[in-house]
Order: sequence, then structure tokens, then C-alpha cells
Amino acid sequence: EVQLVESGGGLVQPGGSLRLSCAASGFTFSNYWIHWVRQAPGKGLVWVSRINSDGSDLNYADSVKGRFTISRDNAKNTLYLQMNSLRVEDTAVYYCAREGILTLMDVWGQGTTVTVSS
Amino acid sequence: DIQMTQSPSSLSASVGDRVTITCRASQSISSYLNWYQQKPGKAPKLLIYAASSLQSGVPSRFSGSGSGTHFTLTISSLQPEDFATYYCQQSYSTTWTFGLGTRVEIK
Repeated sequence: EVQLVESGGGLVQPGGSLRLSCAASGFTFSNYWIHWVRQAPGKGLVWVSRINSDGSDLNYADSVKGRFTISRDNAKNTLYLQMNSLRVEDTAVYYCAREGILTLMDVWGQGTTVTVSS
Repeated sequence: DIQMTQSPSSLSASVGDRVTITCRASQSISSYLNWYQQKPGKAPKLLIYAASSLQSGVPSRFSGSGSGTHFTLTISSLQPEDFATYYCQQSYSTTWTFGLGTRVEIK
């Protein structure tokens, strides 16, 4: 079964750091670009970041640029999101999603919740 | 960044109704437009890609059209399981963006 499973969410104080992970299975992880998308409570989907198949090409939304870093370990079939200088407005469910052929997100994880609060 | 504007933000409809949701891009995005369905507490699900192609396994009552800056998602005959929030998303630029969503509620 093709699957993505996020982990690493939790409660963190403003200014703190957190690293999210996304474990892939059921497909050749190293062949695919992968994205992070977040959703604040009661709000819509917001694209956060993406990484190409070998980790050499990275893109970020302006709202997280300079604070978040996306990376991957193809040997471990795992995607990461290092989140630093966290703000209250970063509170959200964070999803990882696979980019299929023709620039779409065809496989999604179940999400991990990040809460930034003092 | 390319802005995506969806309308309406919400709508009420009955089972069997034809429903149309509109998405406009702030600049031309060719056909780099996808539609997703999300139900409460669940991850989004891809419905339509490349503006008008139906994702495998998605019922044929869903269809998409448009190119450039104006796109539509149509549900030809609304079913009980279609009550959800729908998002358009552009993949034309290196930074992707979603619309704010359209919530489809039961009348």
C-alpha cells in the first residue's frame, strides 16, 4: 500500500523548534518530489514547501522562508521539516504529500498537529 | 505569488443538484490547476488534475474545465458523500498556492 505517515508534532513555545518527519512506504520514494502543506484550525490548506527527488531543489512559501528547512533521506525513505523560530500562527496540522506526474499531489499523509503556544 | 480566488466560499445544495465552483488565478496558469476534496478531520483527496482530467477512482459526476485564469469544478448530481470542502490549487509556479476553499453544505 502506498502510504505517507507524518510524526513529530506537538506543543512548543513561541520561538522554539520542532522537526517533523514523513515516512514513505509502498513506492520508490527517491523518484518523487514531496511537499508539505499545512492547515490552521478551521482554515484552508496552505502550501508550505517542496523538495525534488534528490534534495537539490527546494522551494518555500514566503511565510516560512528562512525559518523552515525541508530535507529528505532517501536511504530511510523519510522526508523532514525542520521548523525554527516558531510563531503562534504556525499552529496547524501539517501534511506531507507526494507529487505525482503532471504536478499534482496524489498521495497524502494523515497529518501531524503542531501547536505553538506559551 | 499567484493568488487563487474561489467562489463562492460556501453554498447550500440538495442531493441531486448540479453544483459549480469557480476558481480564478491572478495570472495565467495554463492548465496547471488541480481540485481537491476534503472532509472534516481527513486529508485532502485529489479529484481533478490538469484542469480537466479525472483522477483514477473519482466518480464521473465530477468534472473540471478552464484554462488560463478561469476554472470551474462541476458536480453534475450532488450525492450525500459529496458534502465537503473543495480547494483549487495551482502548480504553474515553483511555489504552489491553494484557493481558500468552497464548503458545500446540505440544504
